[in-house]
Amino acid sequence: QVQLQESGPGLVKPSETLSLTCSVSGGSVSSSRYYWSWIRQSPGKGLEWIGYIYYIGSTNYNPSLKSRVTMSVDTSKKQFSLKLTSVTAADTAVYYCARVLKTYDNSGFYTPLFDFWGQGTLVTVSS
Amino acid sequence: DVQMTQSPSSLSASVGDRVTITCRASQSISNYLNWYQKKPGKAPKLLIYAASTLQSGVPSRFSGSGSGTDFTLTISSLQPEDFATFYCQESYSIPYTFGPGTTLEIK
Repeated sequence: QVQLQESGPGLVKPSETLSLTCSVSGGSVSSSRYYWSWIRQSPGKGLEWIGYIYYIGSTNYNPSLKSRVTMSVDTSKKQFSLKLTSVTAADTAVYYCARVLKTYDNSGFYTPLFDFWGQGTLVTVSS
Repeated sequence: DVQMTQSPSSLSASVGDRVTITCRASQSISNYLNWYQKKPGKAPKLLIYAASTLQSGVPSRFSGSGSGTDFTLTISSLQPEDFATFYCQESYSIPYTFGPGTTLEIK
């Protein structure tokens, strides 16, 4: 069974760049069946999808964060990464990585399925 | 963006109870609705996708229904391990919005 584990600094200063990595075990990052995603949950708030990346490097980001987000993938290391620039206190959150299964219904409509998640890592933005 | 709401925001129930959680979308999302269970310090777990399809390995006491804008998650007979926070999520369009969550507590 696939497992995902987030890693990175737990404290980032305002205006700096948040960088996280997700390591994947028990499965291949290079599979054409999946996207690899980041989701976050701010204290007292709901879950927010940040974006996802395909093994060839193509991406889709949440429009609300798109100007500050960059995702990358390293298939040889079975890792994918998140960079979020110009962080503020509002970016303080638990950040989760997840595997996203590409599914299509009978009409051919694409819908993503977030089927496995990491346990999450808390990132605090503070000076 | 599709907005998602859930009710109730919290719920107290006893082992053996039947519990229903409601999720509503701000526009029709057909059956592109998923449910997740989240326990403190643990990874979120996919329970149900496409509104009513049970993810592999999820106990049959969990069920989902609905289409369009209104959806429900039902637990037919609560077990001690079911107490957690439950989230719905639309998988119809970016940004794949999640509901605010329903926390299920032991009475």
